[in-house]
Amino acid sequence: ILNVEQSPQSLHVQEGDSTNFTCSFPSSNFYALHWYRWETAKSPEALFVMTLNGDEKKKGRISATLNTKEGYSYLYIKGSQPEDSATYLCAFGAAGNKLTFGGGTRVLVKP
Amino acid sequence: DAGVIQSPRHEVTEMGQEVTLRCKPISGHNSLFWYRQTMMRGLELLIYFNNNVPIDDSGMPEDRFSAKMPNASFSTLKIQPSEPRDSAVYFCASSPSGVNNQPQHFGDGTRLSIL
Repeated sequence: ILNVEQSPQSLHVQEGDSTNFTCSFPSSNFYALHWYRWETAKSPEALFVMTLNGDEKKKGRISATLNTKEGYSYLYIKGSQPEDSATYLCAFGAAGNKLTFGGGTRVLVKP
Repeated sequence: DAGVIQSPRHEVTEMGQEVTLRCKPISGHNSLFWYRQTMMRGLELLIYFNNNVPIDDSGMPEDRFSAKMPNASFSTLKIQPSEPRDSAVYFCASSPSGVNNQPQHFGDGTRLSIL
């Protein structure tokens, strides 16, 4: 059983503030690390797929970094807005086509 | 572009009944995944197909669950007989290729309630 951990489980952030949270995953047999954004009553939506150690990806105010040697990825939200409120899932992919999802970090942005 | 289409959106049925969930992947996508989401276990993979062939069904909880993909544009997940503990949201997802450096595209899910 692969261990994919996300922390914290939830966080509150004031509108306009920046925040970040972590995904840790096995450092062996790494192939890809995915981040998804999951709004309440909707379906998960892909944000990033990262495959190389040191990768950095950015989409608007959201960015992610990857360290495959130590087995972690950070997701950053700069200048949080209420529409950023969602659960952010990471998923670890070993060789093959199977993803193992973490439990998610639930972000609530307070106006 | 049409995304992944799941039906029904909601299903309420009595224990012991057969339940069939349906999924139409994005056209041209070669991989299809069935997930179950519960409060206790989060999002867990049940089974996935590459080019209509089941590759890994180790997540299927027990023999009451079965999945088929008769062609590239249709898949079913069947539960027979259903039990109250099967109540969950079931997601179908597809991706362009058989390697996991491609993002998965999720349908809107089927919310299943077994009474």
